[in-house]
Amino acid sequence: QKEVEQDPGPLSVPEGAIVSLNCTYSNSAFQYFMWYRQYSRKGPELLMYTYSSGNKEDGRFTAQVDKSSKYISLFIRDSQPSDSATYLCATGGGSARQLTFGSGTQLTVLP
Amino acid sequence: EAGVAQSPRYKIIEKRQSVAFWCNPISGHATLYWYQQILGQGPKLLIQFQNNGVVDDSQLPKDRFSAERLKGVDSTLKIQPAKLEDSAVYLCASSFSQGENGYTFGSGTRLTVV
Repeated sequence: QKEVEQDPGPLSVPEGAIVSLNCTYSNSAFQYFMWYRQYSRKGPELLMYTYSSGNKEDGRFTAQVDKSSKYISLFIRDSQPSDSATYLCATGGGSARQLTFGSGTQLTVLP
Repeated sequence: EAGVAQSPRYKIIEKRQSVAFWCNPISGHATLYWYQQILGQGPKLLIQFQNNGVVDDSQLPKDRFSAERLKGVDSTLKIQPAKLEDSAVYLCASSFSQGENGYTFGSGTRLTVV
C-alpha cells in the first residue's frame, strides 16, 4: 500500500464548476498536509498547507483534512481555465523527515 | 527572493553515458532535496541534505546515482551510467527547516535517456 493515494484523473470540468480533489494516506503520525499545483514543464508550487483536521480557506481554494479517516481534500470554487494543472497532495511529519507526495491529478478547466 | 535555480533545463543522453545536474537553493535554506518525477507520477525523494550532511538517501540507487552538497549551499546530482528508466524530471527543492511549511521547488531538469 502506498503511503499516499490520490485519485489519478484526468479530470475535465467546465469553467465555473466546483472541483473536488482527494487523497488518502496511511500513516496516522503524519501531521502536516499540503497541496501543490504543477503547471506543465514547471516545478510544483505550494498552494496550501495545514497542520490539523478541519478546513482552511484561501480565496477560491479550500483544503480539508479529516485525520480520523486519513482523508485530504482540495476544493476549487468557480474554477478558471488558468486552474488547469496537475494537483499534488503531500503529507509528512511524525518520524517522516520529508514530504511524501501523491501521484497527482491532472485537471483541465474548459472555457 | 530568488527561487531555486536548476540547470540544465533539458538533457538528452545515450544509455550508459553520465550526466550531472546542478541546483542552487534559496539563500538561507538549510535543507535541500532531490526528487525524481517520472511522467504521470508524483515526485519521489532521492536524497535530503541538511546543510552539507546527508539526512536521508535510502531511496537513492547508489550503484549509479551520487549527490553532494559541498559547503552546504549548491548541490550536484550525478548519474553514471544512465539507464533508459532514468528518463524523468529531476526536481531540486529547498526549505528553511524540516519543510513543515512546505518546500520551494525549482523548475527541474528533464532527462531523456535514449
